[in-house]
Amino acid sequence: KQEVTQIPAALSVPEGENLVLNCSFTDSAIYNLQWFRQDPGKGLTSLLLIQSSQREQTSGRLNASLDKSSGRSTLYIAASQPGDSATYLCAVRSNDMRFGAGTRLTVKP
Amino acid sequence: GAVVSQHPSRVICKSGTSVKIECRSLDFQATTMFWYRQFPKQSLMLMATSNEGSKATYEQGVEKDKFLINHASLTLSTLTVTSAHPEDSSFYICSARAFGLAVLTDTQYFGPGTRLTVL
Repeated sequence: KQEVTQIPAALSVPEGENLVLNCSFTDSAIYNLQWFRQDPGKGLTSLLLIQSSQREQTSGRLNASLDKSSGRSTLYIAASQPGDSATYLCAVRSNDMRFGAGTRLTVKP
Repeated sequence: GAVVSQHPSRVICKSGTSVKIECRSLDFQATTMFWYRQFPKQSLMLMATSNEGSKATYEQGVEKDKFLINHASLTLSTLTVTSAHPEDSSFYICSARAFGLAVLTDTQYFGPGTRLTVL
């Protein structure tokens, strides 16, 4: 059974900092990996989707990498802003989609 | 784009009643739909997978007689929480796996969630 782990569980940074969120998974036989953002009490917003054949995806200040063989992905956020404060979830798709516990990010003005 | 809707977005009910949550794929067909549950400050946990026209497959620990799932069409799945209790209070999110030409096939699209509070 696929298990997804996210480190750190919580992160607080001052505005403007670059930061990296980590995701690891136990079974490398995946179709894709997706990063989501979730604001308190809200649903999921898809940020980046990386197919198993890809190494990275970029969208604006976000860059996600995938190393399938080692079971790892990182989400890099450049020049963080207070509006980036949210919980970031990593999800791995095999036969179904499994989620990590998330990283709660706070960006202080 | 691919949109998944859920109804209602928020429901409060008394203990012992049943609550039905609808999940619809609005502009694409979904042969497979998934139901997740999220407790406060925890991640999403897969409850069950449903394929159109067949019985749902439940994850270990999820009571199939309590959480009834019906996936009668390619655009609609329903989750009924029967005899709800306060411990069933949670955020329920559905997702639909897209099938078709107009959307990225085999991608899961998520609904906005339903907040269930059982008094």
